[in-house]
Amino acid sequence: NAGVTQTPKFRVLKTGQSMTLLCAQDMNHEYMYWYRQDPGMGLRLIHYSVGEGTTAKGEVPDGYNVSRLKKQNFLLGLESAAPSQTSVYFCATSRKGGKETQYFGPGTRLLVL
Amino acid sequence: DAKTTQPPSMDCAEGRAANLPCNHSTISGNEYVYWYRQIHSQGPQYIIHGLKNNETNEMASLIITEDRKSSTLILPHATLRDTAVYYCIVGLAGGTSYGKLTFGQGTILTVHP
Repeated sequence: NAGVTQTPKFRVLKTGQSMTLLCAQDMNHEYMYWYRQDPGMGLRLIHYSVGEGTTAKGEVPDGYNVSRLKKQNFLLGLESAAPSQTSVYFCATSRKGGKETQYFGPGTRLLVL
Repeated sequence: DAKTTQPPSMDCAEGRAANLPCNHSTISGNEYVYWYRQIHSQGPQYIIHGLKNNETNEMASLIITEDRKSSTLILPHATLRDTAVYYCIVGLAGGTSYGKLTFGQGTILTVHP
């Protein structure tokens, strides 16, 4: 089992460009999350999903959109990238909410010039 | 979610026990204490969690004081591979509501030979 995978691993964008980050999981987990981590900081939740077809905002949702069309995939979109979105993006999954361990992907490094 | 306070950094000799403290004086009765760690450039990794009783697993032990206002993560025999940022997180059954984990700055543990 691959667990949680993220595509791409690294990307450079110019300001105003768009892109989609893909998170895929093979653990049949209901909950999925997108976090961002800036240098020297802890992770901050962008958006999350409690099941296929559902999404909700986290603490820093502005400038991002998400979709969960299939249970195993959670997409994070940047419609018009800004330098402030330069960060490392982590996807996580959990079997459900409540006291469930979250499993994290390896991260996507994004540089916006 | 209750706020946590951790020392910014700690050192430990290889083979010795690493004891990482965490203060959470505003924890409420139904909030759990979770520990995750993040090894350089990787996604966070779950270590252990507990509510009232001390807990032990193959990775670590978690000691929670009787008043639950503080806790200590113990790595019994630290190795160089345990060098990482350790996050203490307090939240309702599951990280926090909806399973969201609120990461602070954490403690940078450096294990040296």
